[in-house]
Amino acid sequence: KQEVTQIPAALSVPEGENLVLNCSFTDSAIYNLQWFRQDPGKGLTSLLLIQSSQREQTSGRLNASLDKSSGRSTLYIAASQPGDSATYLCAVPPMDTGRRALTFGSGTRLQVQP
Amino acid sequence: DAMVIQNPRYQVTQFGKPVTLSCSQTLNHNVMYWYQQKSSQAPKLLFHYYDKDFNNEADTPDNFQSRRPNTSFCFLDIRSPGLGDAAMYLCATSRPQGAGNEQFFGPGTRLTVL
Repeated sequence: KQEVTQIPAALSVPEGENLVLNCSFTDSAIYNLQWFRQDPGKGLTSLLLIQSSQREQTSGRLNASLDKSSGRSTLYIAASQPGDSATYLCAVPPMDTGRRALTFGSGTRLQVQP
Repeated sequence: DAMVIQNPRYQVTQFGKPVTLSCSQTLNHNVMYWYQQKSSQAPKLLFHYYDKDFNNEADTPDNFQSRRPNTSFCFLDIRSPGLGDAAMYLCATSRPQGAGNEQFFGPGTRLTVL
């Protein structure tokens, strides 16, 4: 059974810092890995999706890397801003094509101090 | 902009009073999902539709039902809400190819049960 872990659970940084959020998964046989952002009381916003054949994906100040063999992904946020404050979730889909539930990590709650 | 829309954003119901949450999408995706997310927890898949085919997760209570009258709309019916059903309900969509397609989420409906 796939298990996804995110470390740290919470992170507080001053504005302008570069930071790394970590995601690890127990079963390296994955199709892809998706990073989401969730603001308090809101839905999930898809940030980046990395296919299993890719090693990284970039969108603006965000860069996600994937190392399937070690079961790890990182989300790098450059020059953090107070508006980046949110919970960041990583998720992987099942390999069983008969199932569709994403397995989510428990999230990293990020606070960027002005 | 193509998107996933959920109504209402906030719903208050009484214990045992049936409630319906709605989701619509302009992405023309074949697959639609309903997730339940309780406070500080990861989203949990309740069920999904692949076109008109309904797929229930094994541990989804019978109290939860769903309808998909057409490609664009999907409804979540809670027949007799209990206090434990208070949560954020998230609708998501994806294209059908394989299990690993990117899922796009709506803003969620926060359900309060009095």
